[in-house]
Amino acid sequence: LAKTTQPISMDSYEGQEVNITCSHNNIATNDYITWYQQFPSQGPRFIIQGYKTKVTNEVASLFIPADRKSSTLSLPRVSLSDTAVYYCLVGDPTGGFKTIFGAGTRLFVKA
Amino acid sequence: GAVVSQHPSRVICKSGTSVKIECRSLDFQATTMFWYRQFPKQSLMLMATSNEGSKATYEQGVEKDKFLINHASLTLSTLTVTSAHPEDSSFYICSARGRQLNMVDEQYFGPGTRLTVT
Repeated sequence: LAKTTQPISMDSYEGQEVNITCSHNNIATNDYITWYQQFPSQGPRFIIQGYKTKVTNEVASLFIPADRKSSTLSLPRVSLSDTAVYYCLVGDPTGGFKTIFGAGTRLFVKA
Repeated sequence: GAVVSQHPSRVICKSGTSVKIECRSLDFQATTMFWYRQFPKQSLMLMATSNEGSKATYEQGVEKDKFLINHASLTLSTLTVTSAHPEDSSFYICSARGRQLNMVDEQYFGPGTRLTVT
């Protein structure tokens, strides 16, 4: 399983764009990159998943460079309710990979 | 999106007793379910992978005789914490991956169960 590295914590202010980068140097050819959000005392919630280039949905964008050794989750105009822990995971969804969580990034959004 | 439920959401039990936690996929068939444990301020730790109709696969360091997992149907998996001790107090989370989900894996997580052993 590819190991991921993320910043432990980040601070931001309401209305700003937040970019959280994840390193995954040993990502395999069939691996996808998935991001989850977790609030205290709740299960993780799927945010976005991608394989290469850029993926965008209603809540976030995911940027993946050509070498795929890193990825960046972009949250546009964050609000206080975006304060949470964000996890980056790498694995092959078609192969039924085990979802192993790293430490995650604790995002604090201030007023 | 798909929904995974857990029951109970919160349980308090006495040391030495056993506690069962249920995980259900409400609107899809889950061929694989995962059980995690999370201590305060820490990440989720995978305990075991449960495939429908077969024995669970436990991660290294997780006692299979203490944490009994049953995945008897495509919509239900149970985790039983046997002879619970205070150090078993934690937040237990299940997740499910379904058979008919598309190629892109959106693993769905339950809301978690807070276990407190007194």
